[in-house]
Amino acid sequence: DIVMTQTPLSSPVILGQPASISCRSSQSLVHSNGNTYLSWLQQRPGQPPRLLFYKISNRFSGVPDRFSGSGAGTDFTLRISRVEAEDVGVYYCMQATSFPRTFGQGTKVEIK
Amino acid sequence: EVLLLESGGGLVQPGGSLRLSCAASGFTFSNFAMSWVRQAPGKGLEWVSTISETGGGTHYADSVKGRFTISRDNSKNTLYLEMNSLRAEDTALYYCAREFILDYWGQGTLVTVSS
Repeated sequence: DIVMTQTPLSSPVILGQPASISCRSSQSLVHSNGNTYLSWLQQRPGQPPRLLFYKISNRFSGVPDRFSGSGAGTDFTLRISRVEAEDVGVYYCMQATSFPRTFGQGTKVEIK
Repeated sequence: EVLLLESGGGLVQPGGSLRLSCAASGFTFSNFAMSWVRQAPGKGLEWVSTISETGGGTHYADSVKGRFTISRDNSKNTLYLEMNSLRAEDTALYYCAREFILDYWGQGTLVTVSS
């Protein structure tokens, strides 16, 4: 199974300041078709998860452009350029390159 | 608008069974694989199972293999999860989500396994 490791697990941030979350996979997420199926999801308190990015950096519908996704191979990053109050929640990376699908442990973003 | 609505959760004793349903609307259900993902109270996300567009292909997490069965009825736009031999560790909020990138999720249905 591919293990997804996120750092940090908690990220206290000042409003308006940037935040960054790292996700590392135990093996390459490059599929045999050449695509890399790494997604980022946001889960606000009391809400279901919401897709932010798929295939590393493809922003999903409705996601603000202060969010960005980057990386390749086994190392990936989610960045928030200026954290807003509505960004509070837990962020997960997830790989869909192979079964079983696996998620990172989650990174809690909170306002300092 | 894509909507996924789960139902069928509840309180069940260890060893018991439940069948979850996920009613889909707002898209052509038969064109998409579907998945179940669960979240134990206060914990992270755990993928449970995925079924192909036609239902001919299925995948399961090791933790549920042999106990859970995923299925779908494309004529009813509905996804199912049959859960048998339930254990306390199966207690979780169960979400259905649209594959391949899990772009849409339901609100979840709570399964509690306790005596």
